[in-house]
Amino acid sequence: AQSVTQPDIHITVSEGASLELRCNYSYGATPYLFWYVQSPGQGLQLLLKYFSGDTLVQGIKGFEAEFKRSQSSFNLRKPSVHWSDAAEYFCAVGAPGGYNKLIFGAGTRLAVHP
Amino acid sequence: GAVVSQHPSRVICKSGTSVKIECRSLDFQATTMFWYRQFPKQSLMLMATSNEGSKATYEQGVEKDKFLINHASLTLSTLTVTSAHPEDSSFYICSARDGGRGLSAYNEQFFGPGTRLTVL
Repeated sequence: AQSVTQPDIHITVSEGASLELRCNYSYGATPYLFWYVQSPGQGLQLLLKYFSGDTLVQGIKGFEAEFKRSQSSFNLRKPSVHWSDAAEYFCAVGAPGGYNKLIFGAGTRLAVHP
Repeated sequence: GAVVSQHPSRVICKSGTSVKIECRSLDFQATTMFWYRQFPKQSLMLMATSNEGSKATYEQGVEKDKFLINHASLTLSTLTVTSAHPEDSSFYICSARDGGRGLSAYNEQFFGPGTRLTVL
């Protein structure tokens, strides 16, 4: 069965520091991978997605993620965090084809210190 | 493009009443819509998958008679919480897939802003 693990429940970084949010997935083949961000009381916004091809994916707001098949990981990175990046980040995996549902990780709450 | 709206954004109701939440795809046809429930500081829990013109598929443990889902058109799905109780208080989020992209697409879902339900 598909599953997604986000090992870090809560991360705090200083503004301007680099960021890496971890995501590991369990799936028999290459899944579709997504990172979403959720601000308090809001819906989810897609940051980036991976389907195939280049394993380094660029997203919005300066985020990028790298798919590593050998590690079953899809970690999210940003070189310099802004205070407005404070939010909840969810990694999700979906299987190709059909009406497939997304399986979400538990989320990582990011706090940014000034 | 790919905007999904939800209405209402916030609702407070008395225990025992029913509440309807609407989910609309504003600029695309959503052949499939999904309904999620999110408890405070937790992840999204998929409740059901709704396909236009057919019955919804509910996840294990979700009461279909309590959470009625109707997907009558390609742009509208509704979730009705029947005989709501305080334990139904939660943040409900819908999402939609763009049917125009075909089944081989990214499987990307576009999310609505969510509805905060409080049952007194």
